Amino acid sequence: DIQMTQSPSSLSASVGDRVTITCRASQTISIYLNWYQQKPGKVPKLLIYDASSLQSGVPSRFSGSGSGTDFTLTISSLQPEDFAIYYCQQTYSPPHTFGQGTKVEIK
Amino acid sequence: QVHLVQSGAEVKKPGASVKVACTASGYTFTNYGITWVRQAPGQGLEWVGWISTYNNNTTYAQKFQGRVTMTVDTSTSTAYMDLGSLRSDDTAVYYCAREVIASSTLDYWGQGTLVTLSS
Repeated sequence: DIQMTQSPSSLSASVGDRVTITCRASQTISIYLNWYQQKPGKVPKLLIYDASSLQSGVPSRFSGSGSGTDFTLTISSLQPEDFAIYYCQQTYSPPHTFGQGTKVEIK
Repeated sequence: QVHLVQSGAEVKKPGASVKVACTASGYTFTNYGITWVRQAPGQGLEWVGWISTYNNNTTYAQKFQGRVTMTVDTSTSTAYMDLGSLRSDDTAVYYCAREVIASSTLDYWGQGTLVTLSS
């Protein structure tokens, strides 16, 4: 199975900050990498697919980049509604494993 | 609009089986796959498996092989996940999600079904 490792596991940031979360795959996965946001008690929400494509309706402050084994999710200017847990997921080969999550908290 | 509505919470004894339903609406059911993901209390997301609603092909995570069965009923646009030989560490919220075939992205999710193991 492909292992997905996110860093950091958690971070504290202020509204307006630029935030970057990284995701590393244990083997190359081309661009088959998705990002999801999950707020407490809520269902995960797709933000980015195929490493850098913004899902319809997702604010443009979210962006993704990377290919191969190293990927990043960037929030250009953190908003109050962005405090959540973020997961990466590879869809290169089944099982489509998720990273362990990165919790973004208010500083 | 797209909706995935799951069956209600379940309490099961160790060794029993549970069958979770996921009824889709608002789109052509057979044009998308269904993926099942679970989340143990306070933990991250875990991919359980996938089923093609077009030809019933399935792929399961190795750790669930032999215990999980995924099926669909296209006449009612409903997907099912049957998990057997339940253990205490199967306590989790089980989600179904619509999978875009071209990209394997999960763009719509059900509300989740809490399965609790209790002796």
